Amino acid sequence: KAGVTQTPRYLIKTRGQQVTLSCSPISGHRSVSWYQQTPGQGLQFLFEYFSETQRNKGNFPGRFSGRQFSNSRSEMNVSTLELGDSALYLCASSLTSADGYTFGSGTRLTVV
Amino acid sequence: QKEVEQNSGPLSVPEGAIASLNCTYSDRGSQSFFWYRQYSGKSPELIMSIYSNGDKEDGRFTAQLNKASQYVSLLIRDSQPSDSATYLCAVNMKYGQNFVFGPGTRLSVLP
Repeated sequence: KAGVTQTPRYLIKTRGQQVTLSCSPISGHRSVSWYQQTPGQGLQFLFEYFSETQRNKGNFPGRFSGRQFSNSRSEMNVSTLELGDSALYLCASSLTSADGYTFGSGTRLTVV
Repeated sequence: QKEVEQNSGPLSVPEGAIASLNCTYSDRGSQSFFWYRQYSGKSPELIMSIYSNGDKEDGRFTAQLNKASQYVSLLIRDSQPSDSATYLCAVNMKYGQNFVFGPGTRLSVLP
């Protein structure tokens, strides 16, 4: 069975630009969560979507947003990029909130 | 106090030894506990889950949970160099809420 697919794998953007990252969860998984991983802060929770509804949101500024489509695919958007947004962005899907995650390979975003 | 804490390491053990990785959490009502392994440059992969007090064994891995002490651990028996990775503890504080990850412990298994 296919895993969690994230695109693109790598991105280089300039400060002030915006970016959209995509995630396709495992078939049948309705919960999709997004995390930011940096060497200094570890894995920081961004948001979780379940059946097209944002169920939980982490402590990130409003520049970070997301959505989930009816086929469970999810996108996250970061507007007005800052240098500090450079990170590995990980998408994870699970069957229910009680189950462990399966992570995608991540999108490595570099802001210059 | 951070919600989920782990020793950052590195923890170095010789090949064939038992590696013991520890994690403490702040919310006494936490329900679900997971261990992930993350190799350098890769994404985390789930290796163990535990939901009730006691031990849970899966091959060379044993997860131990003590809710009274708010403590969860992972034992790796017969450690191999291929076990060298960062191990992340994740706690689901309340059903329907997101997982909180610890900072991870870097394990190095020396041949």
